[in-house]
Amino acid sequence: ETGVTQSPTHLIKTRGQQVTLRCSSQSGHNTVSWYQQALGQGPQFIFQYYREEENGRGNFPPRFSGLQFPNYSSELNVNALELDDSALYLCASSGGLSGELFFGEGSRLTVL
Amino acid sequence: AQRVTQPEKLLSVFKGAPVELKCNYSYSGSPELFWYVQYSRQRLQLLLRHISRESIKGFTADLNKGETSFHLKKPFAQEEDSAMYYCALSREAGGFKTIFGAGTRLFVKA
Repeated sequence: ETGVTQSPTHLIKTRGQQVTLRCSSQSGHNTVSWYQQALGQGPQFIFQYYREEENGRGNFPPRFSGLQFPNYSSELNVNALELDDSALYLCASSGGLSGELFFGEGSRLTVL
Repeated sequence: AQRVTQPEKLLSVFKGAPVELKCNYSYSGSPELFWYVQYSRQRLQLLLRHISRESIKGFTADLNKGETSFHLKKPFAQEEDSAMYYCALSREAGGFKTIFGAGTRLFVKA
């Protein structure tokens, strides 16, 4: 069974640029959630995708957008990057009714 | 608004001492509550959930709806329990739209 994988692991961007982060969900999982974790903070819920549709969104502006593909992998896109977007971005997949989230190791984004 | 509060950023105890990590939540519905743990150099993973009422690695947590709390307890802390602990709340069945607290770092001293 393959776990959740994220790419890239680290990246550096400058203000105003755009970034795409990728996530492959665990085998058999149809739900992907994205979180932003700033240093010293807990994961903040960005949004969730269920069967290719956005299924809930946290308090993040529209420049944070996402996609889920038929194989349930997902992308997080952030436009017009700001310095405060520097954080660890976590992807988590889930399936069934257990409620358990399976996390990837994250993509660390630095915005200069 | 839904919120999960963990009042302690750091909790330091001696090995063999009891430990309690506090978690309070605000939510108008019937939430599902979880504790997640992150050990050093490992990814975030589920420790336990209130629905299953299980004890994992000696940890238990009781949902107190009157006090809106879900404190994590262990009677005798071990050094390997040192980790970051996050309380989490799911607003729908099945773990949908799970939100997390800020986390408590537990340090168990020898």
